[in-house]
Amino acid sequence: QKEVEQNSGPLSVPEGAIASLNCTYSDRGSQSFFWYRQYSGKSPELIMFIYSNGDKEDGRFTAQLNKASQYVSLLIRDSQPSDSATYLCAVNQKLVFGTGTRLLVSP
Amino acid sequence: DGGITQSPKYLFRKEGQNVTLSCEQNLNHDAMYWYRQDPGQGLRLIYYSQIVNDFQKGDIAEGYSVSREKKESFPLTVTSAQKNPTAFYLCASNGLAGVDGELFFGEGSRLTVL
Repeated sequence: QKEVEQNSGPLSVPEGAIASLNCTYSDRGSQSFFWYRQYSGKSPELIMFIYSNGDKEDGRFTAQLNKASQYVSLLIRDSQPSDSATYLCAVNQKLVFGTGTRLLVSP
Repeated sequence: DGGITQSPKYLFRKEGQNVTLSCEQNLNHDAMYWYRQDPGQGLRLIYYSQIVNDFQKGDIAEGYSVSREKKESFPLTVTSAQKNPTAFYLCASNGLAGVDGELFFGEGSRLTVL
């Protein structure tokens, strides 16, 4: 079992819809969780981080963490074509990244 | 502006040659990291350093070497022992000596072996 797992996608959503990206992790001791966005050929940039169970909202983005079930998700509301990118989940206690989910938002 | 500078952005190497990728940061961060990214495989940790003159192997350190003589600099050498070095290399840093905290990335160096 990989330490951090993501569906590679692509996840296709129409413009204006909600995109839901999911990530599971294996180490129950993990404390911090990060979502990075990476455009093709570019370096990752931080979107959200979350440390506590529950939801954390920042603009159109919501991170959700459930430590009991060992998953973390990212919701993107009102998806825009500019959101089309690969989203990487990172569990920072061991600096482990998932393989990323490619999101495609169609106009 | 504060940030992480990687050079060169593109590098071509012949088989059997060692190459060194530069990473410099002016963020006054203690910890620095090197990742490798291949298509469909996400980021894999090569080496990391939490303090000057000390560094630790990551998951895929074989065929690579690093040094940390200055806080600002963490160069990566891809040696001829690395059998499949063609990849996108990312340098990152964070402000904590521990492993938690947001990572700031450089723009990356793309290495191609001819």
